[in-house]
Parts: sequence; C-alpha cells; structure tokens
Amino acid sequence: AQSVSQHNHHVILSEAASLELGCNYSYGGTVNLFWYVQYPGQHLQLLLKYFSGDPLVKGIKGFEAEFIKSKFSFNLRKPSVQWSDTAEYFCAVNPLGGKLIFGTGTRLQVFP
Amino acid sequence: DTEVTQTPKHLVMGMTNKKSLKCEQHMGHRAMYWYKQKAKKPPELMFVYSYEKLSINESVPSRFSPECPNSSLLNLHLHALQPEDSALYLCASSPTSRVEGEQYFGPGTRLTVT
Repeated sequence: AQSVSQHNHHVILSEAASLELGCNYSYGGTVNLFWYVQYPGQHLQLLLKYFSGDPLVKGIKGFEAEFIKSKFSFNLRKPSVQWSDTAEYFCAVNPLGGKLIFGTGTRLQVFP
Repeated sequence: DTEVTQTPKHLVMGMTNKKSLKCEQHMGHRAMYWYKQKAKKPPELMFVYSYEKLSINESVPSRFSPECPNSSLLNLHLHALQPEDSALYLCASSPTSRVEGEQYFGPGTRLTVT
C-alpha cells in the first residue's frame, strides 16, 4: 500500500537553528509532492509543492524542499527557524491518478 | 480571493440529530474535497467531487452524505452520527479537475457528537 513516512514526530529547536524534516514515500511511479503547515488554531496551508522540473523547490517563509527520486524522499529545510515557525508540518504525496496521502505529521516547537 | 470558508466553526449534535456542514470557495476551482481529521492525526480523505460529480467515496458510512449543489458549494449532511465521529472536518478545493492538483484547505468545522 502507498504510504508516507515522517520519521520525526516531535522536533524541538532554538531560534536560529537549522531545520530539516524528513519525508519518505512508497510509490514507484510519478508523484506530486507537497508540504503543508498547520499553525496552532489555524487551517492547513500549502508551504510548497513539487510537480516536475528543478528538484529543489522554494516555498513561502524561507522554506525549501529537495526531491530525491532515487531515495523516494522530499525533505523540508529551513536555514534558520523562528519562534513563529512553531506548527505541525505534514508531508503529502499524490500519485498520478491517485489520492492525496498525508504523512503522520511532525510537531515543531521553536523556543526563543 | 484565495479562501475556502466553512460553516459552522463548531457544532455539537446528538446522535439522533440531523445537521449539515457547509463549504464555499470562489477561486473557480473544479474539484472539492471532504476530509476528517482526528486530534494529532493527518487528514483522512472522505469524498472528492470533480466538476460537481462525486468521483471518490472512501467507503464512508452512509450517515455522512455529501452534496455539491454548484461548483462553489459543498455540503456534508450528517445523520445518526456516533461519538467516534467527533473530529475536525476539513473542506478543500483544487484548481484542476485532476485529483492530483494542489489543494487549498478551509479552517474546518469542529464536530462533537454527544
């Protein structure tokens, strides 16, 4: 069965630290890839997406993600986190012709 | 306007009640979705409408009944729910009719079944 794994369930960082959240998926065909963020009490927002082309994609708020096809990975990165980045982060994969599948989420806490 | 709106924000209902959740988008999107999200869990797909026709039903119990009156509106009719149906119900829309397009989410309706 198709699945999306986010290995980091809870990440705690200090402001200005660098962030990398892992995302791996199990599907051999063409996929569209997304990272969504859910700030406390707010709705899911699209952070960035990959459909095709340059595997390094830039999103909002200084986030970027790299698609490595050989590793079935789409890791999220930010060079320097802020307190306002505290949120739940969901990786999501959409196989062509399939449905959007979410990972279990990573809770990020950033302390000033 | 890049918003998906949902009403009500909160809903408490008994197991014998009938209620409806509403979702609206004015982005011209042609696909709309209902998801269920339990606490600390990812959203789970329930239904997909494409061009106002139901295209995916993820084996959802019949006590949940979706309706798409037009391309901007999506309803979820609720009847004889169980306490385990308590969750955040999210509506989403996407620009393309292809299910794999990017999705924009509403704030959700937090449902409590007593």
